[in-house]
Amino acid sequence: DSGVTQTPKHLITATGQRVTLRCSPRSGDLSVYWYQQSLDQGLQFLIQYYNGEERAKGNILERFSAQQFPDLHSELNLSSLELGDSALYFCASSVGERNEQFFGPGTRLTVL
Amino acid sequence: KNEVEQSPQNLTAQEGEFITINCSYSVGISALHWLQQHPGGGIVSLFMLSSGKKKHGRLIATINIQEKHSSLHITASHPRDSAVYICAVPAGGADGLTFGKGTHLIIQP
Repeated sequence: DSGVTQTPKHLITATGQRVTLRCSPRSGDLSVYWYQQSLDQGLQFLIQYYNGEERAKGNILERFSAQQFPDLHSELNLSSLELGDSALYFCASSVGERNEQFFGPGTRLTVL
Repeated sequence: KNEVEQSPQNLTAQEGEFITINCSYSVGISALHWLQQHPGGGIVSLFMLSSGKKKHGRLIATINIQEKHSSLHITASHPRDSAVYICAVPAGGADGLTFGKGTHLIIQP
């Protein structure tokens, strides 16, 4: 158990819908990262937050957005969902920046 | 953008064998990560290293910064080591990671 929690574990929804994935980092960790793992693209970095502020963006679509709240938990919002958004979404956290990252169990999103 | 190459893509070995997985990257980095992903999907951080060598139990990771190359070794391999091993490096100027495609390791009893 890494100490990073993600909810929900599984999510099934329809095209065009909007969903929110939630992540709670390890106690004391200030950085949160979101990653997407799909069969065709593999693991990809989406976005990073540090102590409430956006730090870096990777291959995040404009339909996706995220935020980190004052209690340091983070949410990833996915809207106008398409079939190709079906994937495992991982959250990771680290103490600061450029530190070892600890991964949550992931949320498996299925878009029908 | 950093390109990460891993080899081999697939590896099947017998219990007890010494295993080596290689990773090379294209752009200089501050540190490299080795991750393990089990069939259930969970990802575990094995190592983060910036120079030399690190050891945890039967796992050893080495890195050569000048050659932009890292290796992960497993000594006395066991069926429970069967998993996908993934090498990752910082994505450009960000702390988010760029990942290799992974090495699918199967250890047969």
